[in-house]
Amino acid sequence: AQSVTQLDSQVPVFEEAPVELRCNYSSSVSVYLFWYVQYPNQGLQLLLKYLSGSTLVKGINGFEAEFNKSQTSFHLRKPSVHISDTAEYFCAVRMDNQAGTALIFGKGTTLSVSS
Amino acid sequence: DTAVSQTPKYLVTQMGNDKSIKCEQNLGHDTMYWYKQDSKKFLKIMFSYNNKELIINETVPNRFSPKSPDKAHLNLHINSLELGDSAVYFCASSPFEDTQYFGPGTRLTVL
Repeated sequence: AQSVTQLDSQVPVFEEAPVELRCNYSSSVSVYLFWYVQYPNQGLQLLLKYLSGSTLVKGINGFEAEFNKSQTSFHLRKPSVHISDTAEYFCAVRMDNQAGTALIFGKGTTLSVSS
Repeated sequence: DTAVSQTPKYLVTQMGNDKSIKCEQNLGHDTMYWYKQDSKKFLKIMFSYNNKELIINETVPNRFSPKSPDKAHLNLHINSLELGDSAVYFCASSPFEDTQYFGPGTRLTVL
């Protein structure tokens, strides 16, 4: 069965510092991975996705992630964070079987950026 | 132009009542979904429809009944509401096997 583990429930950082949000996945089939961001009281917005091809994926707002098949990881990084990056971040793997293509989410990482 | 919209945004009701949440997408996508986000922010798939046909039903109590009148709409009807149904419900849509776009969510509070 597919699953996603986000290794940190909370990540506090200072503004302009680099950040890495860690995600490990488990899947026995082709892997399609996503990072979504949820700002307070809002819906989910896609940051980036890996479907195939280059293992380094660039997304919106200066975020990037690297797909590492041997380590079954898809960590999210940003070299310099802003206060406005404070939000909940979700890693997800696409359920991929004949029954459908819903997303299986990790439990989320709260990124708190302070000045 | 809102791509995926949900109504209402907030819903407060008493235990035992029946309520509906509506979802509409104007993206022309074939597939629509309902997800539930609990108080700990954990997101879990409930249902998935493709071209008005139910594809996924993730062991959701049968008090929850999705209805898709057409490709652009997927409504969620909940009978006999319970305290544990309090959550944020998200609708999403996607082209088949591609990126999902989420609505703003409906916060349901059962008293």
